[in-house]
Amino acid sequence: DGGITQSPKYLFRKEGQNVTLSCEQNLNHDAMYWYRQDPGQGLRLIYYSQIVNDFQKGDIAEGYSVSREKKESFPLTVTSAQKNPTAFYLCASKREGDTGELFFGEGSRLTVL
Amino acid sequence: GQNIDQPTEMTATEGAIVQINCTYQTSGFNGLFWYQQHAGEAPTFLSYNVLDGLEEKGRFSSFLSRSKGYSYLLLKELQMKDSASYLCAVSDSNYQLIWGAGTKLIIKP
Repeated sequence: DGGITQSPKYLFRKEGQNVTLSCEQNLNHDAMYWYRQDPGQGLRLIYYSQIVNDFQKGDIAEGYSVSREKKESFPLTVTSAQKNPTAFYLCASKREGDTGELFFGEGSRLTVL
Repeated sequence: GQNIDQPTEMTATEGAIVQINCTYQTSGFNGLFWYQQHAGEAPTFLSYNVLDGLEEKGRFSSFLSRSKGYSYLLLKELQMKDSASYLCAVSDSNYQLIWGAGTKLIIKP
């Protein structure tokens, strides 16, 4: 079955460390997204990519970086420059030309100790 | 600015009907989505409205009024498994999704 796989599901990090969250999809979707979810707030867009080797900053890109070397993969690195990285991170994908329905991965919960 | 408003929390009884409202102010409109999210899990797609009116899909229905910037999600014959957060999102003029904070629905026996 096609889907989106995020890993790890849970991650603990010490302050000052970079961590990379993996996102892989086998849906053959062109567009991929990274969102951050905090309690009491809507999903906030970190980065998105509509095509391989191209990506755009979202509303809260500071302290994060991404790459899109393959259509299937869109990893997110949370750098030490991100001041408040503890959050639930969601990766999603979407076919071009669709109404806009997003398909989400299971999420990665990052906790900074 | 762009804004999506929905109630923070609602409580309903098993077997009853509940209506979750969503109002929006966005730069452009290319459709409104409802997603369901159980605690600690990924959101899953429920409905999409781009024209005014009611869309029915089993126990769930979604309504849109573009002139009023208003939508609601109607859940009938509530089941305990419907306990979840319900997220309203609007696709703006750039086809980017603007998300509400979500409504936590608590179902009581």
